[in-house]
Amino acid sequence: AQSVTQPDIHITVSEGASLELRCNYSYGATPYLFWYVQSPGQGLQLLLKYFSGDTLVQGIKGFEAEFKRSQSSFNLRKPSVHWSDAAEYFCAVGPYDKIIFGKGTRLHILP
Amino acid sequence: DAGITQSPRHKVTETGTPVTLRCHQTENHRYMYWYRQDPGHGLRLIHYSYGVKDTDKGEVSDGYSVSRSKTEDFLLTLESATSSQTSVYFCAISESIAGDPYEQYFGPGTRLTVT
Repeated sequence: AQSVTQPDIHITVSEGASLELRCNYSYGATPYLFWYVQSPGQGLQLLLKYFSGDTLVQGIKGFEAEFKRSQSSFNLRKPSVHWSDAAEYFCAVGPYDKIIFGKGTRLHILP
Repeated sequence: DAGITQSPRHKVTETGTPVTLRCHQTENHRYMYWYRQDPGHGLRLIHYSYGVKDTDKGEVSDGYSVSRSKTEDFLLTLESATSSQTSVYFCAISESIAGDPYEQYFGPGTRLTVT
């Protein structure tokens, strides 16, 4: 069965610092992987996706993620965070007719 | 932004009453989904649809039913609302590429409170 684990419930970083959010998945075949962001009171917005090809994926808002099959990971990174990046981030794995979401990591930004 | 609207956006209802939430899309996407979001649980799939009149259950379908009579509309019904169904409900849509669903786009959500 497919599953997604986001080990960190909360992460706090200083503005301008680098960021890495962890995501581990369990899936029997080559997965489709996604990162979504949710600002308070809003719906989810797709940051980036991996289906195949280059394992380093670029997304919107300066985010990138790297697919590592050997580690079953798809960690999200950003070299320098901005206060507006404070939000909740969800990793998800598919495909087929359903996508499974992780429980989310809430990112706090210190001024 | 994908053309997805949800109505109502907020609703307060009493235990035991039926409630219907509506998701409307203008993208002509094949797949539609209903999720609930609760603190500590992330998003959990309630039901989904892979075409008109074609629906299936997700992981938390008990107490919920759905209908899809048109491509653009996907209705979620709480047959007899309970306090445990107090949640934020999100609709999502997706198209398929070579038979597999593509990424999902989400609506703005409906906050439902059952008193």
